[in-house]
Order: sequence, then structure tokens, then C-alpha cells
Amino acid sequence: QKEVEQNSGPLSVPEGAIASLNCTYSDRGSQSFFWYRQYSGKSPELIMFIYSNGDKEDGRFTAQLNKASQYVSLLIRDSQPSDSATYLCAVKYQGAQKLVFGQGTRLTINP
Amino acid sequence: EPEVTQTPSHQVTQMGQEVILRCVPISNHLYFYWYRQILGQKVEFLVSFYNNEISEKSEIFDDQFSVERPDGSNFTLKIRSTKLEDSAMYFCASAGQGATGELFFGEGSRLTVL
Repeated sequence: QKEVEQNSGPLSVPEGAIASLNCTYSDRGSQSFFWYRQYSGKSPELIMFIYSNGDKEDGRFTAQLNKASQYVSLLIRDSQPSDSATYLCAVKYQGAQKLVFGQGTRLTINP
Repeated sequence: EPEVTQTPSHQVTQMGQEVILRCVPISNHLYFYWYRQILGQKVEFLVSFYNNEISEKSEIFDDQFSVERPDGSNFTLKIRSTKLEDSAMYFCASAGQGATGELFFGEGSRLTVL
């Protein structure tokens, strides 16, 4: 069973601070890693993806991947109240087309 | 910006009735998916579809479920005889040919089975 694990939270961060979201996955054959944002009652919205070890930056967002530790994280700099949402980690395993999702981490940014 | 569209946005049905959920994927995408999310739970994979056939399906996708791409644009999910536990948000998603495989989701169809 290929698992993707996230702390369900809630994670509370003051406005302007850095929010750090973490995800672990069970299968070393994993190929690509995705972070989605989901507002309550809405569909998942792709934030960014990463497939090489190291950091990938896109605006206020940085994804970090460590394949040896089977760990992927998302940093949100200068957090805004509009960043309050559930953040879903998803993994694409080698040979598969589907994404496997974690249960999501609920993030609240406090003004 | 291209988007995945789904209809209906909300459907209420009686247990045992058939339901068809419809999706129009992004036009140049080749991979199509259905996921579901029961309230408060994770997004769960149901089925993937490529080259006019199912490429992968989960244990949830039993004989009560079927998918079809009846023409060049629509992608449908049929539930033959709905059960109370089928109540969920159903998301359609599509992906292009690129190796990284990012999925783009529609807004979802909320199914309520009474």
C-alpha cells in the first residue's frame, strides 16, 4: 500500500511568518511530488511540483524534496490570511499515472 | 485559461438510482481521472482513462461504476445503483502528455444520496 502522510493540523501561523508544511511517502520508486491547495468546499488547485532533490522556488512558495528521507515539504513565506486553506501533498509513483494524496494539513494564518 | 468543467455542481438522488456525472477535460489533455472526496476525508483515486480505455482503477471502482468518453470532449462517470456511502464530492481531472504528470481538477460535483 503506497501511503502519503501529512500532519492534519490545524497549523496556526501569524501573518507575515513562514509556514512549513511536511509530507512523507512510503515508496522509494516515487517519481514526482505535488502540492495542492484546497479551500473549503472547493477543488484542489495546483501550487507547484518538484521531482529533483533540493529546493524549487516559485514566488512565496518553496518546495523541498529529500528522496533519501522520503520527505517533501512546502514553505510559504510572508504568509497571508488568503493562504488559509488545506494543503494537500500528492505523489506520482513510477509506472503509474495517478496521484496518491495525503489527508492534507489545515493551515490558518492569523492576522 | 483552459479549465476542466463539471456538471452538475450538485445532485441529490435516492438510493438505488443511477447517476451520471459529466466532465469536459482540458482540450489537449490525454489523461482523464475521477477522484472522490467524502466530507472531511482525503481525496481518493477512483479511475484513470487513457487512449479510450481504463488504465488504472482503485478498489472503490467496483462494478457499480463505469466511465465513458462518448465523444471527443466529454468524460462521464456513471454510478448504476447509488448507495448512501456514495455521497461525496466527485472531482474530474485531466493531465497532458508531459512526464511530470500534474493534474488539473474541475470544480467538482457534489452527490448526495438519500
